Amino acid sequence: SYVLTQPPSVSVAPGQTAEIMCGGANIGSRTVHWYQQKPGQAPMVVVHDDRARPSGIPERFSGSNSGNTATLTISRVEAGDEADYYCHVWDSGTDHSVFGTGTKVTVL
Amino acid sequence: QVQLQESGPGLVKPSETLSLTCTVSGGSISSYYWSWIRQPPGKGLEWVGSVVYSGSTNYNSSLKSRVVISRDASKNQFSLKLTSVSAADTAVYYCARLLDGGHFDRWGQGTLVTVSS
Repeated sequence: SYVLTQPPSVSVAPGQTAEIMCGGANIGSRTVHWYQQKPGQAPMVVVHDDRARPSGIPERFSGSNSGNTATLTISRVEAGDEADYYCHVWDSGTDHSVFGTGTKVTVL
Repeated sequence: QVQLQESGPGLVKPSETLSLTCTVSGGSISSYYWSWIRQPPGKGLEWVGSVVYSGSTNYNSSLKSRVVISRDASKNQFSLKLTSVSAADTAVYYCARLLDGGHFDRWGQGTLVTVSS
């Protein structure tokens, strides 16, 4: 089965940029989505279809996908961005979903 | 605005069957895909399976032998049954809507199910 690997944690100072990687075999040929999950809450999509932002998500959140790595970038990080982040791909051929291992973003 | 709400027992005994229902309001389950996702305490997200608007289903290979997802269009609900549960099935269970593009855009609040005698 398809595996998506993320770093367990990323630490960033307020105002700086956080990059969260999601590694998978030839992930660039797939469509990647990103979710933010704060403690005690359900996940919420922050980027879908590699780089699209849902209504209400700040422009500070952006995504890219190429080769074997997809990346979620959070610019001008704020304290409220502290959360767990998960990448996700859906295989339209098998109708199966896979989530990444998750990354905890800590704002210093 | 589409909303999802999970319901079901919060405690299940080992070897018994876990049963949850997701009630959808503000939209019809006769469109899109509807999924169950779980999260063990302190761990990551795991896709359990989905039921399609046509009624067909897809399951995580690791759970396929124990899981059944069904839908009741008349009640606008879909359900999860997981048999022969063990402590490893203790988790927060979320129901969610999967859009055509393949991302989950609506989630329930989640319900904690503990497997314990």
